[in-house]
Amino acid sequence: GESVGLHLPTLSVQEGDNSIINCAYSNSASDYFIWYKQESGKGPQFIIDIRSNMDKRQGQRVTVLLNKTVKHLSLQIAATQPGDSAVYFCAERVQTGANNLFFGTGTRLTVIP
Amino acid sequence: DAGVIQSPRHEVTEMGQEVTLRCKPISGHDYLFWYRQTMMRGLELLIYFNNNVPIDDSGMPEDRFSAKMPNASFSTLKIQPSEPRDSAVYFCASSVGRYNEQFFGPGTRLTVL
Repeated sequence: GESVGLHLPTLSVQEGDNSIINCAYSNSASDYFIWYKQESGKGPQFIIDIRSNMDKRQGQRVTVLLNKTVKHLSLQIAATQPGDSAVYFCAERVQTGANNLFFGTGTRLTVIP
Repeated sequence: DAGVIQSPRHEVTEMGQEVTLRCKPISGHDYLFWYRQTMMRGLELLIYFNNNVPIDDSGMPEDRFSAKMPNASFSTLKIQPSEPRDSAVYFCASSVGRYNEQFFGPGTRLTVL
């Protein structure tokens, strides 16, 4: 079955530094990927997405990179702020099938002031 | 819009009792999803509806779990009888269209003693 995993379960960065959160996926048929942010006591919140026909997509302070060759996804956060502290999940979806999101286990990002 | 609303936010019950979780999706959204989140398994899709009709319930763990959506603005997830291993955070999410962003509610933290 599909599986999405994360290389690093925890990440601590200094405020103002850039953060990179990595994700590996195993289903080569996955053609849509999403990064979610989950703060304590809240539900996941959409950050940015990318389709498999793209290698890079930028948002406000965030960039997602997709390497289909090695089935790797990363989320880059520029000038990390204390409010960025949360658990970050990558999720994949195979659009040829049901609208099911398969989530990774998450990486906890802690920003040190 | 108030976003996806879930109730209760916390539920503590004893093994064998019936538990009903409630969800109000965002108005106008035609897809509704129920997820379960645990430390061991992360986020898992239980069931989803399209226009109030259940489409895929393959993620429902057992017959003890049932979900209904009597109208476009309300859905329930029921566990009967509940067991300690059902303890988790249950999220409801809704979206416009099958492949668009899912908006998550704040979740219901269920503890079965």
